[in-house]
Amino acid sequence: DTAVSQTPKYLVTQMGNDKSIKCEQNLGHDTMYWYKQDSKKFLKIMFSYNNKELIINETVPNRFSPKSPDKAHLNLHINSLELGDSAVYFCASSQAGAAFGTQYFGPGTRLLVL
Amino acid sequence: GESVGLHLPTLSVQEGDNSIINCAYSNSASDYFIWYKQESGKGPQFIIDIRSNMDKRQGQRVTVLLNKTVKHLSLQIAATQPGDSAVYFCADHGSSNTGKLIFGQGTTLQVKP
Repeated sequence: DTAVSQTPKYLVTQMGNDKSIKCEQNLGHDTMYWYKQDSKKFLKIMFSYNNKELIINETVPNRFSPKSPDKAHLNLHINSLELGDSAVYFCASSQAGAAFGTQYFGPGTRLLVL
Repeated sequence: GESVGLHLPTLSVQEGDNSIINCAYSNSASDYFIWYKQESGKGPQFIIDIRSNMDKRQGQRVTVLLNKTVKHLSLQIAATQPGDSAVYFCADHGSSNTGKLIFGQGTTLQVKP
């Protein structure tokens, strides 16, 4: 009964490959997010979707493409992986698309690009 | 741009003592702040939040204080326990309506038995 789940938990791949990370939430929330956490634990938002509509798109290379098939899922596809993409990627969701919705985080996907 | 910073990257306390973790923010229009706890290998977990129309909010063993004059907030943990060992982040909602959170860099709390 995990609230926000991500797969895979670990992902090791070669430079240049294309990979996807999946996220699902069973909280009935309207909004979902992707964050990147670097090796220094700095956590930065990448994207946000509200009811399948993109509302936040930070300065992220266009090799990263989020896709939301429905409001319970937000997947992240990464093309042509680079060494600098190595990080922990967190999915999150919140009830409100705006203002004061508390964000609930998934367990993270640890991506290592070799 | 907006930024959120923490004063100390690491805080070491004795079990049973109180812990205080500090955070400064830059956007004077920010209206909502959240503290998250991240244990090793896990995602950030909500601890407590505070809106800008308040200067103090209490939870179970935790208190958040907000000083808008100096743009500073703190998280106080009473009677710190080994299970409190984690990285603590403050997050600033800013004044937008997009749900975008700006996170500070995190303070690692180490609890000595």
